[in-house]
Amino acid sequence: DIVMTQSPDSLAVSLGERATINCKSSQSVLYSSNNKNYLAWYQQKPGQPPKLLIYWASTRESGVPDRFSGSGSGTDFTLTISSLQAEDVAVYYCQHYYTTPPTFGQGTKVEIQ
Amino acid sequence: EVQLVQSGAEVKKPGESLKISCKGSGYSFTSFWIGWVRQMPGKGLEWMGMIYPGDSDTRYSPSFRGQVTISADKSITTAFLQWSSLKASDTAMYYCVRQVELATITYNYFDYWGQGTLVTVSS
Repeated sequence: DIVMTQSPDSLAVSLGERATINCKSSQSVLYSSNNKNYLAWYQQKPGQPPKLLIYWASTRESGVPDRFSGSGSGTDFTLTISSLQAEDVAVYYCQHYYTTPPTFGQGTKVEIQ
Repeated sequence: EVQLVQSGAEVKKPGESLKISCKGSGYSFTSFWIGWVRQMPGKGLEWMGMIYPGDSDTRYSPSFRGQVTISADKSITTAFLQWSSLKASDTAMYYCVRQVELATITYNYFDYWGQGTLVTVSS
């Protein structure tokens, strides 16, 4: 199985400041035939199911605010929240879908400083 | 509107059997793979397996094969996850998920999630 490792495990950011979460896969999730990275990001707020934010490493799901952005390729990826809002307090997960089984990172908890 | 509505919380004893459900609506139920994801208390997310309700083709994560059974009844647009003999370590929240299809190709990421079913196994 591909192992997904996120860093940090938690971070506290002031309102309006940038939050950056990293995700590293144990092997490349870039599919050469279509040049796409098989990497998604989810947001899970307390007591709720996860919500899809980004797929193909950088494509925002419909309705997701543009302060959320994804970047990276191959084995190293980043989720950036450009200006943290109170409603962004949540745990964020990366997930590869390059092979079966798809696997998730351990999660990064984002809080307000 | 696409919805996945799961059955309610369960409290069971070790050794008991259980079947939880996930009813899909607002889309063609037989045309999308439905998966199940486990979240143990305070922990991360684990993909367990998936089923294609159109023909009941089923795939399991190696970690869960033989531990659970995934099924579906397309006549009632419902997928199921069942255990024949629960263990305390099965205590978790279980989510059903719809796997994404783009241009007739299915990808193993998830655009819709059920609300979750909390399963508690305790003597």
